[in-house]
Amino acid sequence: QVQLQESGPGLVKRSETLSLTCTVSNGSVTTGSHYWSWIRQPPGKGLEWIGYISNRGSTYYSPSLKSRVTISLDPSKHQFSLRLTSLTAADTADYYCARMNWGCSGGTCYHFFDSWGQGTPVTVSS
Amino acid sequence: SSELTQDPTVSVALGQTVRITCQGDSLRRYYVNWYKQKPGQAPVLVLFGKDNRPPGIPERISGSYTRDTASLTIIGAQAEDEADYYCSSRDSRDDHMIFGGGTKLTV
Repeated sequence: QVQLQESGPGLVKRSETLSLTCTVSNGSVTTGSHYWSWIRQPPGKGLEWIGYISNRGSTYYSPSLKSRVTISLDPSKHQFSLRLTSLTAADTADYYCARMNWGCSGGTCYHFFDSWGQGTPVTVSS
Repeated sequence: SSELTQDPTVSVALGQTVRITCQGDSLRRYYVNWYKQKPGQAPVLVLFGKDNRPPGIPERISGSYTRDTASLTIIGAQAEDEADYYCSSRDSRDDHMIFGGGTKLTV
């Protein structure tokens, strides 16, 4: 069963850049039809999708974060990464990496996050 | 972009049946998926597609659809079902993913 684990700094300064890495175990980031995703959750709030990258390197980002986000793939290390620039206090959140799978039934498709990392808390300080 | 709307809180008595709903335009094009999250833990997938449960998810949890509303139903709610539940789907207008605001289920 695939496992994901986030790593990165827990504390970053306002206006600086956040870099997080997700290491994938028992699976490859370049095979299959999966997408590798980042999702965050501010304290006491709901889930927010940040973006994902395909196994071929195509990226899709949330419109609200698109100007500040980069997601990249490092197949040799079985990793994918998140880079978020120009941090503000609003970026304080638990950050999760997740694998997105998809399927179709009766002509209707669905896209779901079937494996999640445990999450890593990030605090943006002034 | 589209939105998914959920009731913020729902309560159910132990052993009773409860339905958590998710409404949005994207449901006319895509199935939603449901995640359960307990405090301090990562979300866990509990339903995907039309009505599919990952391994380990009990049969008393099921999904259903009407025109633009998806429902997660728990028959015989247990204390362990108390959690936040989020629906999610692909945005009907682009390649983005969206989440509902979440429903806090109290048993």
